[in-house]
Amino acid sequence: AQSVSQHNHHVILSEAASLELGCNYSYGGTVNLFWYVQYPGQHLQLLLKYFSGDPLVKGIKGFEAEFIKSKFSFNLRKPSVQWSDTAEYFCAVNARGFKTIFGAGTRLFVKA
Amino acid sequence: NAGVTQTPKFRILKIGQSMTLQCTQDMNHNYMYWYRQDPGMGLKLIYYSVGAGITDKGEVPNGYNVSRSTTEDFPLRLELAAPSQTSVYFCASSYRTGTGLDMNTEAFFGQGTRLTVV
Repeated sequence: AQSVSQHNHHVILSEAASLELGCNYSYGGTVNLFWYVQYPGQHLQLLLKYFSGDPLVKGIKGFEAEFIKSKFSFNLRKPSVQWSDTAEYFCAVNARGFKTIFGAGTRLFVKA
Repeated sequence: NAGVTQTPKFRILKIGQSMTLQCTQDMNHNYMYWYRQDPGMGLKLIYYSVGAGITDKGEVPNGYNVSRSTTEDFPLRLELAAPSQTSVYFCASSYRTGTGLDMNTEAFFGQGTRLTVV
């Protein structure tokens, strides 16, 4: 069965610090990978996605993620975070089927 | 463009009561989902549907039922509410691309329903 692991449950950073959130999945076949963001009190929104091609994908608001197939990883990065990036971030995997499985989420708090 | 609409936004139920969470989407998506979100647990899939008349269980289906009579609507039914069902519920939809692969796009989420069972 598919599963998704997010290594950090809570992350606290100061503004302008760099961010990297880890995500590993377990599934041996071809996958679609996603990062979603949930701002306080809001619903989930897509940050970026990977289906195929260049393993380095760029999303909205300066976020990017790198798919490393050999490590089953899809880590999210941002060079310089802002206070407005305070949110919960979810990694998700879809094994080219119709069930998308989510990780437990990482709560990011950015200090102004 | 409304997207995915959920009602109600908030609800308090007493143990043993029943209710239906409504979900409708206007994007003609064939796939629809219900997730529950609990603190520190991420999103757990309750039920999903690949099209009108077709539904299937997700990771945590016990205590819930669904139906999909139309492409647009995917209501979630709680028959006998229990405190363990206190959660935030999200409905989502997505569509399948062509080319013969079961490829799927990202999910579009509703605003959520915060349910408390007391």
